Amino acid sequence: EPEVTQTPSHQVTQMGQEVILRCVPISNHLYFYWYRQILGQKVEFLVSFYNNEISEKSEIFDDQFSVERPDGSNFTLKIRSTKLEDSAMYFCASRLTGAYNQPQHFGDGTRLSIL
Amino acid sequence: SQQGEEDPQALSIQEGENATMNCSYKTSINNLQWYRQNSGRGLVHLILIRSNEREKHSGRLRVTLDTSKKSSSLLITASRAADTASYFCATDEVNNNDMRFGAGTRLTVKP
Repeated sequence: EPEVTQTPSHQVTQMGQEVILRCVPISNHLYFYWYRQILGQKVEFLVSFYNNEISEKSEIFDDQFSVERPDGSNFTLKIRSTKLEDSAMYFCASRLTGAYNQPQHFGDGTRLSIL
Repeated sequence: SQQGEEDPQALSIQEGENATMNCSYKTSINNLQWYRQNSGRGLVHLILIRSNEREKHSGRLRVTLDTSKKSSSLLITASRAADTASYFCATDEVNNNDMRFGAGTRLTVKP
């Protein structure tokens, strides 16, 4: 069964550095998402992306964050000038269409540790 | 605003017993989804129930949805030790293109 894949599985970065988290969504999916989960807390929506543009973003997704689909397969989340509180699991998800009977499929996540 | 609050926060049962988890939400939804997460892993989609459906089955899973009470339940029958995981409900809200997750129920099934 097709999967969403995320790399790396674990990223350790010094505070203030930039990180890029990578995702390869399921190939025929059209909607893409990033979520984060701080340890022990709920999964929080960051951003959704469709037709090469952001369709929705949460209050967490400020100017520090950006997303890009640089080619036909990758979907990236960039975090500039990382802070300690950015440490979390980051999940990518994709969805075939925006129809109401379509679930989001998640990758295994990237654990981001800011030192 | 918070959406998709599960209860109980933690549930411990013996293998073979049924496990019931509940979820409440606040806004109008297109659908409600249940996900499972093993420790340190990603979210695995279990079942989606649309707002015009009241009950749905998938193997040992049974989900109900009551839109008048804005609540849903997930029943796992004949539980197994391998069902040990966290279970989250997530709501697909009307007029939003995102999902809101609850804090999850941590289920432990003892062999």
